[in-house]
Amino acid sequence: AQTVTQSQPEMSVQEAETVTLSCTYDTSESNYYLFWYKQPPSRQMILVIRQEAYKQQNATENRFSVNFQKAAKSFSLKISDSQLGDTAMYFCAFMKGNTGTASKLTFGTGTRLQVTL
Amino acid sequence: DTAVSQTPKYLVTQMGNDKSIKCEQNLGHDTMYWYKQDSKKFLKIMFSYNNKELIINETVPNRFSPKSPDKAHLNLHINSLELGDSAVYFCASSQGTSGSPDTQYFGPGTRLTVL
Repeated sequence: AQTVTQSQPEMSVQEAETVTLSCTYDTSESNYYLFWYKQPPSRQMILVIRQEAYKQQNATENRFSVNFQKAAKSFSLKISDSQLGDTAMYFCAFMKGNTGTASKLTFGTGTRLQVTL
Repeated sequence: DTAVSQTPKYLVTQMGNDKSIKCEQNLGHDTMYWYKQDSKKFLKIMFSYNNKELIINETVPNRFSPKSPDKAHLNLHINSLELGDSAVYFCASSQGTSGSPDTQYFGPGTRLTVL
C-alpha cells in the first residue's frame, strides 16, 4: 500500500515571498504519478501540478514548481511570488501507473497555507 | 460551463434517512469517482466507475451504493444515514487511460450533515 506524508500541518508566507511545502511518499511501485491539489476556502479541489515518476525533469506551472527526488521519495511544491489567492489547503497525492481504466489517488493529510500582507 | 457538477452542494438530514447525491461531468471522460473528505480534511477514495462498470470499491459500508446510469453520471445513494457519514463528498472524473497520468478533475463537493 502507498502512503503519503505531509509533515507541515500549517505554514505562513508573506505576499511576494517564496514558500516550499513538503511531501514524502512510500511505495514499491516503479511506475507512478504525483500531484499537488489546492483546496481554497471555496472547497473546490484544483489541480496545481503533476509529475510523472519516469521524468527526471521537475514539473513547472507558472509560479508553481516541484522538487522531485525519486530516490528520497520526496515531492515538494515551491510557490514563488506568493499571492493572497494562494491561501488554501494543499494536498499531495500519489497515483499508481498502468492500473487500467481507473486509478485511485492516495492523498496526504494536507498543509494549510496562509499568505499574509 | 461547469466541468464536473454535483447536486446538492449542501445537504442536512436526520439520522436514519436515505439521501442521494448526483454528479455529472461534461468532459467526455470515461471514468468517475467518489471521494469522502472527513472533518480533518482527509480525502479517501470510495468508488470508481468506468463506462458504467464498477472498477474500484474500497471498504465502504454497503449502506453506500453508487449508480452510474451512463458514463457522464455517477450518483451516490446512502441508506440509513449515521452521524459518522457527515463529511464532504467529492465526485471526480478522468479520461480513464492507462499509460499516462490519468488526471482527475473534481466537482465542487457536497457537504453532508447528519443530525
